[in-house]
This record gives sequence, C-alpha cells and structure tokens, in this order.
Amino acid sequence: DAGVIQSPRHEVTEMGQEVTLRCKPISGHDYLFWYRQTMMRGLELLIYFNNNVPIDDSGMPEDRFSAKMPNASFSTLKIQPSEPRDSAVYFCASTDRDRLHNSPLHFGNGTRLTVT
Amino acid sequence: DAKTTQPPSMDCAEGRAANLPCNHSTISGNEYVYWYRQIHSQGPQYIIHGLKNNETNEMASLIITEDRKSSTLILPHATLRDTAVYYCIVRVYGGNTTLVFGKGTRLSVIA
Repeated sequence: DAGVIQSPRHEVTEMGQEVTLRCKPISGHDYLFWYRQTMMRGLELLIYFNNNVPIDDSGMPEDRFSAKMPNASFSTLKIQPSEPRDSAVYFCASTDRDRLHNSPLHFGNGTRLTVT
Repeated sequence: DAKTTQPPSMDCAEGRAANLPCNHSTISGNEYVYWYRQIHSQGPQYIIHGLKNNETNEMASLIITEDRKSSTLILPHATLRDTAVYYCIVRVYGGNTTLVFGKGTRLSVIA
C-alpha cells in the first residue's frame, strides 16, 4: 500500500499563474477529500468526491479554484489565476467509508504552495 | 458536529505516559470521538476512535467518561517521534459528514 500520493511536494509560482495539484488516492477508496492548511485558519475542507462525483464543494474559496476527478485513481485541484493568499499546504485524503466499519481518512503528505 | 476543546500545548517526558484531554460537552448519542495527529511536514494520521467504551490499539488508548462529555488520549510510553499536534474530533458515524479539524494540542516530548 503506497498510501495517498500527492505531487508536486513543493510548488513556487508567481501571482497570476495557473497551478495544478495532483492526487492519487489509495486503490479501492471511493471517497477523496481536498483540504487546505494555513497557520491562520488551520485545516479546512475544500471539496470532497464520492465515486468520482463532487459531493460538497462549499469549502472552495472562490471561482479561481476548481477540482476534478476524471477517474477513481486521480484527482486535480487547479487554481487559476493564483494569488499570494493561496499560499498554503494542500492535502489530499481518501477513505473507503465501509458501511460496517468506519474507515479513517488517509492523508497524503501535502503540496506546499507558495505564490509570490 | 459537536465542538471540542483541547489545551493548546502540553509537554511530556520521554518514556512517560502522555495524557491528552478533550472536552466535548455537547456531544450527542450518535457521535464518535476521533483522534488524529499531525507530525511536522506530514499529513494528519489517524490514531483511534470510540463511541462510549474505552478503546486500545497499537498506538494509543482512548478513555471516554461515562457521560461522554470528555475523553483522554493516552500514549503509554511517549517517544520523541510522538511530538506532534493532536486533534480531537467529534463526528457522526458514517453518513456524508466530514472531519472538521480544530486547533488541536501541540504535544512536545522532551528527552
């Protein structure tokens, strides 16, 4: 089990540029979550998917943010255009949400985004 | 989901038990208590969860009071690698609810 894999590990970009963060969930997991962590706001849920379908995107800050899950093994979080206030660590997490046993969330090691 | 209250920081001597408290006085009957931790530069890691009975696994023990208004996470023999932020989360079992993280307790294990 390779765990949740996120790429890149670090991203530095200039304001106005497009940024794409990538996530590969654990095989067999049918829920995928995107979180953002900053010192000021802590860990915030941005959006989550079930069976590749977005279920709740109420945490997405604004229209500059978009997330997709084209298949069960891949998801992207895109910011266009990026702004300095988007600087944060972005985490992806997955779970299989077994109805009999409440499976925990498994997190990746995050992407540290710096927008200058 | 019910809110939780945790002390912002705690110290523990290496090799001793670390007891991390959490208050959740508004917890409802169908809400579980979950504990996660986050080691520096890593994603949060699941530790343990429970409803009303005490729970133990290879990482820790969870003690929930009889009225379920508070709980304690116990790391029986803390090591330097246990230095992390520990999050106590109360959440309804299953359904479409998600984990809402508070500020947690920053545990420093000291040699």
